[in-house]
Formats: sequence, structure tokens, C-alpha cells
Amino acid sequence: DAKTTQPPSMDCAEGRAANLPCNHSTISGNEYVYWYRQIHSQGPQYIIHGLKNNETNEMASLIITEDRKSSTLILPHATLRDTAVYYCIAASSNTGKLIFGQGTTLQVKP
Amino acid sequence: EPEVTQTPSHQVTQMGQEVILRCVPISNHLYFYWYRQILGQKVEFLVSFYNNEISEKSEIFDDQFSVERPDGSNFTLKIRSTKLEDSAMYFCASSPTSVSTDTQYFGPGTRLTVL
Repeated sequence: DAKTTQPPSMDCAEGRAANLPCNHSTISGNEYVYWYRQIHSQGPQYIIHGLKNNETNEMASLIITEDRKSSTLILPHATLRDTAVYYCIAASSNTGKLIFGQGTTLQVKP
Repeated sequence: EPEVTQTPSHQVTQMGQEVILRCVPISNHLYFYWYRQILGQKVEFLVSFYNNEISEKSEIFDDQFSVERPDGSNFTLKIRSTKLEDSAMYFCASSPTSVSTDTQYFGPGTRLTVL
């Protein structure tokens, strides 16, 4: 599975958009980009995933560059409850396992 | 909204004892997983399970570990002889289909403390 690189931490003001970057320069054609988050020590929570096209759901938007070497997760209006560790994962369609890195700790501040 | 449940929430055991961690996946899901997270470290994949057999396992999942789906609802992780280094949060997850087309839903975890 492709390795992903994320900044270790970011801050965001409450009500503003949070833009979390992820590099996955070695991603292969059959690997999807997944985003999960983990609040405190709870189980990871799925946010969004995509292959090539940009995706949007009720939680977030995912912007994938045309060469697929990087992506950005956008939380449009961050709230204090969005404070969490955010994981970007490149997962193959051939396997069920998710390989978590260290993620980005997002701190949303009032 | 359906969710994955895990019991117990916290298990304390003595080194060398056997423990069984229990999970009830979402009812129509077909793929099941166990992950663990040692305190302060990243979430690690242990094993995936489909059609009553292991699909994939990591190097962590050695002979001390086993998984079972004893009935139509439960999915269990057994550690035969616990070690101090097995202390961790253990997360169960399930998905309706393979990861490429669907998401994995995680349970709240079982905190295992080995003394």
C-alpha cells in the first residue's frame, strides 16, 4: 500500500474551513484515498474516500489532484467537535486492510 | 443508525491468561476486521475475515491470536496467553463489501490491560 505523508498538527478557527493536506506520491492506479478520523481514543470514524474524482458528502469534501499524488480534505465549517486526529490512507482495492499512519492532529479553536 | 458494538469495554487480565474480545458487527456486513492501538501509537491492522476464514493477517497476528465467528452475529478475537505488550485498545470493524467500494465501520474498542 502507498505510504502517505501528513503534517503532524494543524490549528483551525471555529467556523472556518479546515484544509488538511496529504501526499501520496507513490499511489498506484487501484488504490483509493480514504480519510478517517479518531476522536480521543474512540474507534476511527470514516469521513470520505475517492479514486480520481473530487468527492463531497455531508461531512467533508475531498479534492484529489489530477496526477493523484496528493489530496486535500476540506471540512467546510469546522466546529470544536471536529478536533481529532485525521488519517489519510491509500488502500488497495485488492485488500481489506487499512494502514494507518500518524495522521494530522487538528485542533479547532474558539 | 446501525453500529458495531464491542464487549467488554475494558478487560484486565494477568499475564499468561487467555482473553476473548467480542464484537457484534453490523448485521448485513460480510467483511470483519480487528485492529489494535497501543497507547500513544498508531492504529495497526491485525486480521481480516470473510466467508468464515482469514483473508489477510499482519505479522502481529501470530499463533497466540485467533478469530472466530461462532454464530451469525458475533466475531471474536482470542489471545491464548497474554503478554504485557498485548496491552492496547482493540477495535473491531466491519464492512458490507471489500474496501474499494465501501467503508469500514469501527466499534468503540476494548481496552485490554495485561498485568
